[in-house]
Amino acid sequence: NAGVTQTPKFQVLKTGQSMTLQCAQDMNHNSMYWYRQDPGMGLRLIYYSASEGTTDKGEVPNGYNVSRLNKREFSLRLESAAPSQTSVYFCASSQPRGPGNTIYFGEGSWLTVV
Amino acid sequence: QKEVEQDPGPLSVPEGAIVSLNCTYSNSAFQYFMWYRQYSRKGPELLMYTYSSGNKEDGRFTAQVDKSSKYISLFIRDSQPSDSATYLCAMMAYGQNFVFGPGTRLSVLP
Repeated sequence: NAGVTQTPKFQVLKTGQSMTLQCAQDMNHNSMYWYRQDPGMGLRLIYYSASEGTTDKGEVPNGYNVSRLNKREFSLRLESAAPSQTSVYFCASSQPRGPGNTIYFGEGSWLTVV
Repeated sequence: QKEVEQDPGPLSVPEGAIVSLNCTYSNSAFQYFMWYRQYSRKGPELLMYTYSSGNKEDGRFTAQVDKSSKYISLFIRDSQPSDSATYLCAMMAYGQNFVFGPGTRLSVLP
């Protein structure tokens, strides 16, 4: 049972390059999320998808785009990477945000922009 | 003021100590409270989930919620070196997104 799987685990990009982080979940969850985690800042929501076919901006969406490809997959794209996007990125999924439902995370993707 | 505040640590304790980790929050609409544990270079994993005020116990871990004071705590009894990790509190209002504290880094020394 894989849970939430994200790739790649590590990536180094040059400023201005583009890349896509891939995420898939096998828990049949409706909602999926992308967070970034920086020292002292905690987890900050970039984008989320409450259900298949919908996406919404989170706290820090600038410089990112997302695609909810199907119920299982939710990708995050950096169109023109900047050093400020150096961070650890976590994909997560959950059932609808209600009683008893919690959020499950992938193992993280370490991105360095030079 | 951030929506969720958490003592940043780092916190170092000897093995066997009782550890208290705390979060305060400002949004009275939060109804669901969680604690996550995050080992170095790993994703956060759910440790405890509580819905109402009061205590919930799971082995060596006890989660406490005081909605009137907007304060939650996680207690770890008989702490072990394997408990060394960053602990994140998380909260949610019905139908809203999860909100996380910045995390407290804990080291349990043998």
